[in-house]
Amino acid sequence: DTAVSQTPKYLVTQMGNDKSIKCEQNLGHDTMYWYKQDSKKFLKIMFSYNNKELIINETVPNRFSPKSPDKAHLNLHINSLELGDSAVYFCASSQDPRSFANTGELFFGEGSRLTVL
Amino acid sequence: AQTVTQSQPEMSVQEAETVTLSCTYDTSESDYYLFWYKQPPSRQMILVIRQEAYKQQNATENRFSVNFQKAAKSFSLKISDSQLGDAAMYFCAYRSGLYPNFGNEKLTFGTGTRLTIIP
Repeated sequence: DTAVSQTPKYLVTQMGNDKSIKCEQNLGHDTMYWYKQDSKKFLKIMFSYNNKELIINETVPNRFSPKSPDKAHLNLHINSLELGDSAVYFCASSQDPRSFANTGELFFGEGSRLTVL
Repeated sequence: AQTVTQSQPEMSVQEAETVTLSCTYDTSESDYYLFWYKQPPSRQMILVIRQEAYKQQNATENRFSVNFQKAAKSFSLKISDSQLGDAAMYFCAYRSGLYPNFGNEKLTFGTGTRLTIIP
């Protein structure tokens, strides 16, 4: 069973369109994240959620809206796509940082490559 | 804010040899975690090794070991007996260990080192 799964893995779309990426984790973790990896392979945090509550929002344009229907799911919706949104988007999860069992490790999905034409 | 620096954009090593990837970081915290992640062409981010800052002993995982120098804020990765499957991007990452700490549990990544294995 895949621990953190994202869909779709590839997405090609036109500028101005709206698209969503879905993420699910079956690890029982409380915290989930979205990271963006640009063309130079740099990974940067976008959002984090803990038990459906938004915790981190790192100066991401308002066109990006995360949603967490429950603690096992974190979706990313992007409105009015721009060329600069082309990247690989990674979902990740971790144990609650307040938990003594937390090892600090993030478990990543396989990434979703978004190409905006 | 914490920063992570990987000064080697690319490295290459002969198969079966040893290679060391460098990483330095900047933080004012005393409690934190450091990680090395591997990203092969498949794109998957795979944890290679983890080090807790309070532990003086360097972490090891089979052929992978780290040299953790807390005072120098250095965290290098040594890969022994390099194998073709080790070819990948390697990312060094930092995570705050403050407890309870909510909102700073994100990983801050370096820019990565692309490792090539020469057969």
